[in-house]
Amino acid sequence: DVKVTQSSRYLVKRTGEKVFLECVQDMDHENMFWYRQDPGLGLRLIYFSYDVKMKEKGDIPEGYSVSREKKERFSLILESASTNQTSMYLCASSSTSGTGLNEQFFGPGTRLTVL
Amino acid sequence: AQSVSQHNHHVILSEAASLELGCNYSYGGTVNLFWYVQYPGQHLQLLLKYFSGDPLVKGIKGFEAEFIKSKFSFNLRKPSVQWSDTAEYFCAVNSLNTGNQFYFGTGTSLTVIP
Repeated sequence: DVKVTQSSRYLVKRTGEKVFLECVQDMDHENMFWYRQDPGLGLRLIYFSYDVKMKEKGDIPEGYSVSREKKERFSLILESASTNQTSMYLCASSSTSGTGLNEQFFGPGTRLTVL
Repeated sequence: AQSVSQHNHHVILSEAASLELGCNYSYGGTVNLFWYVQYPGQHLQLLLKYFSGDPLVKGIKGFEAEFIKSKFSFNLRKPSVQWSDTAEYFCAVNSLNTGNQFYFGTGTSLTVIP
């Protein structure tokens, strides 16, 4: 059974703290993604990576950075957490097809609250 | 701007009613299309996908979707909904034109009343 796991289901941090969210997939997928999910806004892409050490900005990268040192692991970093980063963070992975990308597999999400 | 639109933000149906959720996209060329579902408290999972071939695709739990290229649409349907279909539904698009990204609609929240 394919799996995408995220390091925490719930996280509470204080403003200004550095926050690390970890994501691991066991499907040998090339592509990994970080989204945030907010009510009424759907899923918004923060960053994605199509290979080890490669990263691309998504639609809302400000305030975030990422790291992909190994194929199976993709980390999201909030350099200095702010209250407007309170959200549900979703990690996903997918393989590549001839016409683009195959379906994404999602982790359970991390609900981050910044106080 | 390129986008994925889900016009129904919140749908309320009684059990056994038929369901159709709209999805329109604005990307040209060959597209891969997906519907995902998120049940309360659970993670997103794939309902169905279209890459090529028969434009009517069947997914899990009795759902189906029809790709109409001329209308840039990929609407989700189910003939008879159940209470357990209460969930949020997301349409997503990917193509070589969009690079290694998926573009999601804002989602449709479906509530099925027993």
